[in-house]
Amino acid sequence: AAGVIQSPRHLIKEKRETATLKCYPIPRHDTVYWYQQGPGQDPQFLISFYEKMQSDKGSIPDRFSAQQFSDYHSELNMSSLELGDSALYFCASSSVTYEQYFGPGTRLTVT
Amino acid sequence: DQQVKQNSPSLSVQEGRISILNCDYTNSMFDYFLWYKKYPAEGPTFLISISSIKDKNEDGRFTVFLNKSAKHLSLHIVPSQPGDSAVYFCAARGSNTGKLIFGQGTTLQVKP
Repeated sequence: AAGVIQSPRHLIKEKRETATLKCYPIPRHDTVYWYQQGPGQDPQFLISFYEKMQSDKGSIPDRFSAQQFSDYHSELNMSSLELGDSALYFCASSSVTYEQYFGPGTRLTVT
Repeated sequence: DQQVKQNSPSLSVQEGRISILNCDYTNSMFDYFLWYKKYPAEGPTFLISISSIKDKNEDGRFTVFLNKSAKHLSLHIVPSQPGDSAVYFCAARGSNTGKLIFGQGTTLQVKP
């Protein structure tokens, strides 16, 4: 079965640079969620989209923005990167059920 | 303020025995609970879920029990297998939002 695809899997950026993470949900899933997992921490909700509209917002810094496109894929844009942004970024998708299916994640390292 | 808590950072059990992972929550507005399994450098894998209107859900070797009055849920794995060794996250969903709030995770080690 098709799963959530995230790209890139690994990303190394320097401080103050910009990064773009992409997420391709499971086909026919209309909701996308973004989570951030720091070292030794549990995943923290950032933002979600339902039918291309922002549906919920969590602890997402103002330096970050995201959107969902007409093909339901989503992109998380991160600007003015800081060392503390180094983390695993997960995308998850869901449909009419409540189960969220996660992608493999993007490991962002800011140096 | 940790709304979902997994108070045991680690658990070690013998192969073939039962593994019981526990999770407590504080928000009575949560209406759906999920368990995920996670290997290093991979995304969480959905295991099993339970609605707040139920007290038990079973899927193969995995059973989740919910005690609403105690705001407590547990995941039972019977029999445990070495391949079950991973980090297990409990997650809760609010009734008016789709976002999941995760516990801190419990590292399960199943010894052959």
